[in-house]
Amino acid sequence: KQEVTQIPAALSVPEGENLVLNCSFTDSAIYNLQWFRQDPGKGLTSLLLIQSSQREQTSGRLNASLDKSSGRSTLYIAASQPGDSATYLCAVQDAYNQGGKLIFGQGTELSVKP
Amino acid sequence: DGGITQSPKYLFRKEGQNVTLSCEQNLNHDAMYWYRQDPGQGLRLIYYSQIVNDFQKGDIAEGYSVSREKKESFPLTVTSAQKNPTAFYLCASSIAGGGTEAFFGQGTRLTVV
Repeated sequence: KQEVTQIPAALSVPEGENLVLNCSFTDSAIYNLQWFRQDPGKGLTSLLLIQSSQREQTSGRLNASLDKSSGRSTLYIAASQPGDSATYLCAVQDAYNQGGKLIFGQGTELSVKP
Repeated sequence: DGGITQSPKYLFRKEGQNVTLSCEQNLNHDAMYWYRQDPGQGLRLIYYSQIVNDFQKGDIAEGYSVSREKKESFPLTVTSAQKNPTAFYLCASSIAGGGTEAFFGQGTRLTVV
């Protein structure tokens, strides 16, 4: 059974710092991995999607990497800003499920202090 | 402006009542999903549908029902059989099933009073 883990559960950094969020999964048979952002009381905003054949994706100050063989992904945020404060979730679509079900980690709650 | 619209944003249910949460998308996506989010438990899949007039149970379908009569709509009914319905409910859609990017609505917070 696929399990997704995110470490750390919470992170507090000063503004301007570069940071890395970690995501690990137990079964490497995945279609893709997706990173989301969630603000308090809001829905999920898709940040980056990495297909299983890709190694990384970039969008602005965000860079996500995928190492399928070791079951790991990282989300790198450059020059963090207070507006980056949110919960970040990673999710995988495993290759055994044709329906597109996402399996989520518990999230990392990020706080960027001015 | 394409997206997924969930309504209402807040919903209160009395014991023994059925309530229906609305989810509409104008992205022309075939697949739609309902997830439940509880503190400390992450998101869990309730039901999903890959095509009109067809849907499948997810991991926690007991006490819930859905319909998919139109491509753009996937309403979720929380029945009185759901013993612990207080949660944040999120609807999502994707172009197809496995391998495609998922997009989410803004959620409905359901509280039992």
